[in-house]
Amino acid sequence: GAGVSQSPSNKVTEKGKDVELRCDPISGHTALYWYRQRLGQGLEFLIYFQGNSAPDKSGLPSDRFSAERTGESVSTLTIQRTQQEDSAVYLCASHATGPYGYTFGSGTRLTVV
Amino acid sequence: AQSVTQLDSHVSVSEGTPVLLRCNYSSSYSPSLFWYVQHPNKGLQLLLKYTSAATLVKGINGFEAEFKKSETSFHLTKPSAHMSDAAEYFCVVGLGGSSNTGKLIFGQGTTLQVKP
Repeated sequence: GAGVSQSPSNKVTEKGKDVELRCDPISGHTALYWYRQRLGQGLEFLIYFQGNSAPDKSGLPSDRFSAERTGESVSTLTIQRTQQEDSAVYLCASHATGPYGYTFGSGTRLTVV
Repeated sequence: AQSVTQLDSHVSVSEGTPVLLRCNYSSSYSPSLFWYVQHPNKGLQLLLKYTSAATLVKGINGFEAEFKKSETSFHLTKPSAHMSDAAEYFCVVGLGGSSNTGKLIFGQGTTLQVKP
């Protein structure tokens, strides 16, 4: 596609439920990143994929968070047993060769009630 | 370790006056530095980036930033503010070194208010 696509754009879930957030990167972009943006704050790095492997998962806040990528394309971020502090905008970004040529998606706004 | 500090959480200027958004960084390597803008309910947009070429970097919408290694600063400026410049601005450092994964470290953001 022309850009990085994320779905859903908005998600409201009850505390304790599991959620899945999807990212479709730009076709051919080998690197994919997930970031989280809490209200009024900057972005926090969560995880980085190169192809289908994740050499850097250092930003995942707890074992309730996991992510996978398949076919060097779509990535899914899963949050299990959601808590209110998980409420944030989750952003996905991808780039092709060389770092820093990022394209960000519009994000998924997650609200845990 | 790399880090970035935006010195002002909120800046207010009048339309037509200069804009200065301040940023200091810390990096073990020759850094790559960026400014991103985020308008309300919209995605992040890259304004400009410094990657060890010219120290004065020109970006979109009349913004520019100067890399000053001696001061570890990368302040964002614009000669004349426009109402449409009102947004959240993020100073960002890219991790470098041999294990460069392209991970970005974001500052906390500066809210720019432009008054008529």
